[in-house]
Amino acid sequence: NAGVTQTPKFRVLKTGQSMTLLCAQDMNHEYMYWYRQDPGMGLRLIHYSVGEGTTAKGEVPDGYNVSRLKKQNFLLGLESAAPSQTSVYFCASTKSFSNTEAFFGQGTRLTVV
Amino acid sequence: AQKITQTQPGMFVQEKEAVTLDCTYDTSDPSYGLFWYKQPSSGEMIFLIYQGSYDQQNATEGRYSLNFQKARKSANLVISASQLGDSAMYFCAMREGVGGGADGLTFGKGTHLIIQP
Repeated sequence: NAGVTQTPKFRVLKTGQSMTLLCAQDMNHEYMYWYRQDPGMGLRLIHYSVGEGTTAKGEVPDGYNVSRLKKQNFLLGLESAAPSQTSVYFCASTKSFSNTEAFFGQGTRLTVV
Repeated sequence: AQKITQTQPGMFVQEKEAVTLDCTYDTSDPSYGLFWYKQPSSGEMIFLIYQGSYDQQNATEGRYSLNFQKARKSANLVISASQLGDSAMYFCAMREGVGGGADGLTFGKGTHLIIQP
């Protein structure tokens, strides 16, 4: 029972480099989310998806792109990384139309130097 | 205005004492859900308890209970008989009900709880 799996767990990027974070869930959830966590800020929503082929902007979308080509996967891309994107990134998923818990991945610690 | 406010950045509590972590929220949506998550030093987010806006009774899960006061818009987490393993960051979060709450959770800034022996 894997739940939500994020790849990679750690990454160091140089300013201007690009990368993609992968989130995979095996619970057949419709909704998927990307959050970032910064010290003293709690978690903030970057982008989300309510189903395969759909994406939408959250609270802090600038500098990120996402894709949901398959229901089980939600990709977060950084086209040109900046030091301000140093953060811990969490993916989460939930069932549709239900006020139930969100299942979180283990997080990805990204450092941009 | 912040949607979720946690006014206690840090708390120190003696082992075996009860703990109350404060959370107030702001929404005009009549349908919403309130959540508490625990984040230990290892970093994962652990779901603790959920309270729906229409639930008549306060939610309980083992040693965790949610003191839901709708008129005051507060959703405090109560941990009974605290243990050393309860030391962690605790986040209050809200999902607003329009559209089934598809647009994610709004989190507070968290409370760092330290249980002392």
